[in-house]
Amino acid sequence: SAVISQKPSRDICQRGTSLTIQCQVDSQVTMMFWYRQQPGQSLTLIATANQGSEATYESGFVIDKFPISRPNLTFSTLTVSNMSPEDSSIYLCSVEPLGDTQYFGPGTRLTVL
Amino acid sequence: AQSVTQLGSHVSVSEGALVLLRCNYSSSVPPYLFWYVQYPNQGLQLLLKYTSAATLVKGINGFEAEFKKSETSFHLTKPSAHMSDAAEYFCAVSDRRSGNQFYFGTGTSLTVIP
Repeated sequence: SAVISQKPSRDICQRGTSLTIQCQVDSQVTMMFWYRQQPGQSLTLIATANQGSEATYESGFVIDKFPISRPNLTFSTLTVSNMSPEDSSIYLCSVEPLGDTQYFGPGTRLTVL
Repeated sequence: AQSVTQLGSHVSVSEGALVLLRCNYSSSVPPYLFWYVQYPNQGLQLLLKYTSAATLVKGINGFEAEFKKSETSFHLTKPSAHMSDAAEYFCAVSDRRSGNQFYFGTGTSLTVIP
């Protein structure tokens, strides 16, 4: 398995601002993923972030809105840009250290006013 | 393409009663299947997984699930519910390729009645 931490754990932000979420893993992993969980709903994959390459975004998500960095094998950031109330969600990162199972961080709870 | 259907968005059971959470999947290839639990204000925790070994998979906290290919199901069970089992449960499927997307069900909220 893997131990994953996220910062911040929660935040309340104003409309039009941006928030950068950090994800730190206790071991080196190739694959990292960012998910969004809107209130009362399931998880939706935003993008896959591999170290050394551009993130791959899923349909409906664009780099200008959700820029991702992956500077090394233990760290990634997701920025939620120009936020609106519709961006209020839980944002989770996950890793796949063994090739078949994803392990999740505790999530960042974002409220946009 | 893969997809997951969880029947019943809300399930209530009495403490000590059987827990049964249903999950059916659709996959064009033999899948990997997972159950995750999300306690209030927390992230997702892996309960158990099926990756083509034994079809009856035992997980943490007394949960188990059985992969039934003929029924395309992977239902989660626990013989005796405990108050601490109250949480949101998600079934997920992947198509076995490393780094492939996980497809999550819509989740089932389990309430345990004392």
